[in-house]
Amino acid sequence: QVHLVESGGGVVQPGTSLTLSCAASGITFGIYSMHWVRQAPGKGLEWVAFISRDGVKNSYGDSVSGRFTISRDNSRNTLYLQMSGLSADDTAVYYCATGREGGSLEFWGQGTLVTFSS
Amino acid sequence: SYVLTQPPSVSVAPGKTAIITCEQINVGSRTVHWYQQRPGQAPVEVIYDNTDRPSGIPERFSGSKSGNTATLTISRVEAGDEADYYCQVWDTLFDLRLFGGGTRLTVL
Repeated sequence: QVHLVESGGGVVQPGTSLTLSCAASGITFGIYSMHWVRQAPGKGLEWVAFISRDGVKNSYGDSVSGRFTISRDNSRNTLYLQMSGLSADDTAVYYCATGREGGSLEFWGQGTLVTFSS
Repeated sequence: SYVLTQPPSVSVAPGKTAIITCEQINVGSRTVHWYQQRPGQAPVEVIYDNTDRPSGIPERFSGSKSGNTATLTISRVEAGDEADYYCQVWDTLFDLRLFGGGTRLTVL
């Protein structure tokens, strides 16, 4: 059974940095491309970033490009999202998900919440 | 910019058929995928590549596409189908994945 477990969320201050992790089990992690998707409270889904199975290729949504970095460690079956220049607009539940060849997101984790302290 | 337009809400009685549309605007037609998100839960893929159903998804869920509009059809709707449904495409030109705004399905 596929398990994706996100961690690293919490309460942050504006302008600070945070790194999220996504630990995968039940799959051969290295054959899957991976994504991060976020959902602000009461809002819809927003795609954040993609990384290819070998980590060579990546892409980002417009709202995070230049501030967030996606990476992976296939030896540890783990996906990462380094977030910098954080603002209240980045408050959301962050999900990791596996990617299919055709562009869909097949398996999803349960998410980790990033919130801001005023 | 690329936009996916979904109706904000759809209501249907139990046992009837729910139809949720996703219109692609400002760009040529792309392959569409669909996700179900029950309250408080993570999204679940219910249709990929316009019409394919992942393992474990009931046959009551089906997808179709005509021109720039994709449709998710849920037959014999059950109370457990009450959820938000999102369409999604892959803009291969800019290598972006985009979600529609979501449709809340209410089972009356």
